[in-house]
Amino acid sequence: QVQLVQSGAEVKKPGASVKVSCKASGYTFTSYGISWVRQAPGQGLEWMGWISAYNGNTNYAQKLQGRVTMTTDTSTSTAYMELRSLRSDDTAVYYCASGGFLRALDYWGQGTLVTVSS
Amino acid sequence: EIVLTQSPGTLSLSPGERATLSCRASQSVSSSYLAWYQQKPGQAPRLLIYGASSRATGIPDRFSGSGSGTDFTLTISRLEPEDFAVYYCQQYGSSHGMAFGQGTKVEIK
Repeated sequence: QVQLVQSGAEVKKPGASVKVSCKASGYTFTSYGISWVRQAPGQGLEWMGWISAYNGNTNYAQKLQGRVTMTTDTSTSTAYMELRSLRSDDTAVYYCASGGFLRALDYWGQGTLVTVSS
Repeated sequence: EIVLTQSPGTLSLSPGERATLSCRASQSVSSSYLAWYQQKPGQAPRLLIYGASSRATGIPDRFSGSGSGTDFTLTISRLEPEDFAVYYCQQYGSSHGMAFGQGTKVEIK
């Protein structure tokens, strides 16, 4: 069965960076892209961006351009999302999900809580 | 950039009743690349509907999606206790990326 397993919770200080991993299993990793979605406490879902696991092409949300980088390691079927220059309003649960671009998000990771606090 | 507006913000209904949720796009959604997700507290979202009207794997047939262009609807024919949750619509299939609506909470009356 398809599974996306994310790395554990992180606590970071303002200005720092965080890198969240998402390990996929149960399907051919390069067949679909990986999207990243975040959810601030008590808020809705915010799309952050998408990466093709096939060729590494990316598409980032405009508001995060310059602060976010998405990568994949096809040898381990793992996707990564790095967010830099963290601010308090980056505190959120970060989800990875398979799909994106021409495909809905059909499988989701369990979420990773990132807390930004001084 | 497409903006999705969901209504109502909260829907108060009883088990067994019919729920009708609306999602309106600021511009036409190409080829009905419109999905619906369900999210319960403390859980990741779950895909219910894709392509505006196709049910995802394992989704009960009491969930149905319809619409095209800028107006889309998620209907739950008879609410079960496990259906009380927050529902999000999402646009995908655009070179500009994806967008989510702000969500509709379906609560027990």
